[in-house]
Amino acid sequence: AQSVTQPDIHITVSEGASLELRCNYSYGATPYLFWYVQSPGQGLQLLLKYFSGDTLVQGIKGFEAEFKRSQSSFNLRKPSVHWSDAAEYFCAVGGTGFQKLVFGTGTRLLVSP
Amino acid sequence: DTEVTQTPKHLVMGMTNKKSLKCEQHMGHRAMYWYKQKAKKPPELMFVYSYEKLSINESVPSRFSPECPNSSLLNLHLHALQPEDSALYLCASSQGGTRLTDTQYFGPGTRLTVL
Repeated sequence: AQSVTQPDIHITVSEGASLELRCNYSYGATPYLFWYVQSPGQGLQLLLKYFSGDTLVQGIKGFEAEFKRSQSSFNLRKPSVHWSDAAEYFCAVGGTGFQKLVFGTGTRLLVSP
Repeated sequence: DTEVTQTPKHLVMGMTNKKSLKCEQHMGHRAMYWYKQKAKKPPELMFVYSYEKLSINESVPSRFSPECPNSSLLNLHLHALQPEDSALYLCASSQGGTRLTDTQYFGPGTRLTVL
């Protein structure tokens, strides 16, 4: 069955430091991959998505992610974190034949001053 | 305008009450979704409407009853809920049918507490 793993439940990063959030998926064909962010008490907002083509994807708010088929990964990166980036981040996978997105369990990002 | 609105923001109800959640979008999207999200968990899909027809029901108990009166509006009718139904209920919409490549735009959610 298709699945998504986000191995880090919490990550704390200093403001201005770089960030990488990990996402691994399990799916036999080319996946559709998404990163969403959720601020406390809010809905989810799409940061970026990958379907095909260039494996380095640029998103909103200065985020990027790289699809690595050999590692079944789609890690999210940001070169310099701002305090407003503190939120919950969800990776999700879909694909041909999927009826719905499969979400990972999320990673909570804390930003220290 | 990429906004999905949800009302009310907060709802407290007893187990014998009947209430409704409302979701609205004016982006011309033809797919609308209800998700349930428990604390510290990812959203779980409940229902999907595509072109105003129910296309996915994720085996949701009948005490939750969705309705799509028109392409802009989605309701979730609640009756005889249980305390374990307390959660954040999120609505989302996407452009054309239920293509997973379409971006889903989420509303801010309704925080439901069942006493």
